[in-house]
Amino acid sequence: DIVLTQSPALAVSLGQRATISCRASESVRSSMHWYQQKSGQQPKLLIYGASNLASGVPARFSGSGSGTDFTFTIDPVEADDIATYYCQQSRNDPLTFGSGTKLEIK
Amino acid sequence: QVQLQQSGAELAKPGSSVKISCKASGYTFTSYYISWIKQTTGQGLEYIGYINTGSGGTNYNEKFKGKATLTVDKSSSTAFMQLSSLTPDDSAVYYCARLGLLPNWFAYWGQGTLVTVSS
Repeated sequence: DIVLTQSPALAVSLGQRATISCRASESVRSSMHWYQQKSGQQPKLLIYGASNLASGVPARFSGSGSGTDFTFTIDPVEADDIATYYCQQSRNDPLTFGSGTKLEIK
Repeated sequence: QVQLQQSGAELAKPGSSVKISCKASGYTFTSYYISWIKQTTGQGLEYIGYINTGSGGTNYNEKFKGKATLTVDKSSSTAFMQLSSLTPDDSAVYYCARLGLLPNWFAYWGQGTLVTVSS
């Protein structure tokens, strides 16, 4: 199985940029997707295909990368962005998720 | 708008089975695969498998073969997941999610169903 590694937490000030990384144990090309999960809610798709913004998602959110290294960015961070962010790959079966990065406000 | 409405929380005894439902609306049910995902505090998000809602064909994560059985009822636009031989390790929130035309990203999610396995 492809393992996706994310750092567990990130603290950012409001109005600043938040950058979350996801590293794959082998190349997933551009088959990387990002989700936001707020406390008590289901995950929500934000980015698909490494860099494509899902429908209705604000342009403050963006994604980049290919191969094994990917980055998810929120710029600027707003209070409503407090959540856990997950990466997910669809290059190989089984589909796998990262362990999530919890975004906190300084 | 696309909606996936899951059935309510379940409390089950070890060794028993539960069947969770996921009713879809707002799109053509048979045009998209439905997948199931397990979430626990310890293991995070785990992909269980998906079902081709048109043909009924299934694909399972090896880890969940023998544990989960995915089915659909096209007449009611509902997907089901049965979990068998339950143990406390099966206690989790289970989500259904709509995939695309291929198993790639999870575009829409149900609200989740909490399954608690306890004697």
